[in-house]
Amino acid sequence: EVQLVQSGAEVKKPGESLRISCKGSGYSFTSYWITWVRQMPGKGLEWMGRIDPSDSYTNYGPSFQGRVTISADKSISTAYLQWSSLKASDTAIYYCARLIGAAAPDYWGQGTLVTVSS
Amino acid sequence: QSALTQPGSVSGSPGQSITISCTGTSSDVGGYKYVSWSQQHPGKAPKLMIYEVSNRPSGVSNRFSGSKSGNTASLTISGLQAEDEADYYCSSYTSSSTLIFGGGTKLTVL
Repeated sequence: EVQLVQSGAEVKKPGESLRISCKGSGYSFTSYWITWVRQMPGKGLEWMGRIDPSDSYTNYGPSFQGRVTISADKSISTAYLQWSSLKASDTAIYYCARLIGAAAPDYWGQGTLVTVSS
Repeated sequence: QSALTQPGSVSGSPGQSITISCTGTSSDVGGYKYVSWSQQHPGKAPKLMIYEVSNRPSGVSNRFSGSKSGNTASLTISGLQAEDEADYYCSSYTSSSTLIFGGGTKLTVL
């Protein structure tokens, strides 16, 4: 069974750093891109970026380029999303998903709620 | 890069059919076969319903169908059921090698 299991909820202060994770199982982790999607409270889905776990090639949405870093450790089938300096506006649920055909998110993680507040 | 354009809400009665549109440009929806539709119930992760314009993943009801004409893709749900009430998002590959989502459509089953 394909599963993507994300790390738990986080509460952080503005300016702090953070890395959340997404562990894949039940399939060949290096055979599918992983994407990250943001959902701010009460809002829609926003595409942040994606990574090819086989070689760690990444690309980012224009709104997120330079604001976050996506990485992966194929030895433990885990992808990461990290911030170096959080803002209150980063408060959101973050989902990881597996991509099929380069662009369709077929399996999703359960989401990680990140709350940034002073 | 603006979000793909979807109606904010649609509604229908049980048993009826509804269609949700998703309008982009020739640089995304109109230029590629990589249009997907995802369903999201409140408090839940999204679920893929349609990929590559009209393909259904295994386990998705054949009441869900997708199509595309020019820069506009469409999701049609036939035989509406109460459980179909959810938010629906389209997404597309783009000429910048990125993905883009629509703003989402809230489906209400009356």
